[in-house]
Amino acid sequence: DIQMTQSPPSVSASVGDTVTITCRATHGFYNWVAWYQQKPGKAPKILIYAASTLQTGVPSRFRGSGSGTEFTLTITGLQPEDFATYYCQQADTFPRTFGQGTRVDI
Amino acid sequence: QPQLQESGPGLVKPWETLSLICSVSGGSIGGSYYYWNWIRQRPGKGLEWIGSVYYTGSTYYKPSLEGRVTISVDTSKNQFSLKMTSVTAADTAVYYCARDLGANDFSFEHWGQGTLVTVS
Repeated sequence: DIQMTQSPPSVSASVGDTVTITCRATHGFYNWVAWYQQKPGKAPKILIYAASTLQTGVPSRFRGSGSGTEFTLTITGLQPEDFATYYCQQADTFPRTFGQGTRVDI
Repeated sequence: QPQLQESGPGLVKPWETLSLICSVSGGSIGGSYYYWNWIRQRPGKGLEWIGSVYYTGSTYYKPSLEGRVTISVDTSKNQFSLKMTSVTAADTAVYYCARDLGANDFSFEHWGQGTLVTVS
């Protein structure tokens, strides 16, 4: 199984800040990583797929990068609506696995 | 855009079977090249993939749940289902159904709203 270790578990930030979240995989693979945003009481929403492709309708302040064993989500210029929990997920092999989540709060 | 909707009992007794259905509208399961998935989230915890089913009926499960979980697809009703046997309090969670992106990308693009199942 590919385990995804996500860090940091939480980060406190202010509007306008840049936040970087990292996922490290136990086994290297190409680029089948997705990033999701989840707000309380809501289903996750996909932001990034294939490591760096922005889902339609997602603001360009979200950027994904990486390959192999290290993948990163960067949010540049945090907006009030970005305070949420973020998860990475590997879509390379079964079983599908998620990172533990990163809570971004004020 | 497909819409997914989970349904099923919100309360299940310990050691009984949890049964959920995901109804899909705005797209057909049959003949579609997508995996249809179940994912859960225990209270205050992260996301946990449970398993996936292809429209042909082939399945993959999380190893630690294999043996207790069955996911099946009913193309005639355009829905897929989750059965989990011998549930305990540890299976209390919000259960989501989701469809992948397609085109060989197995990220979860479309999600249901989720349904809370309490084992008690």
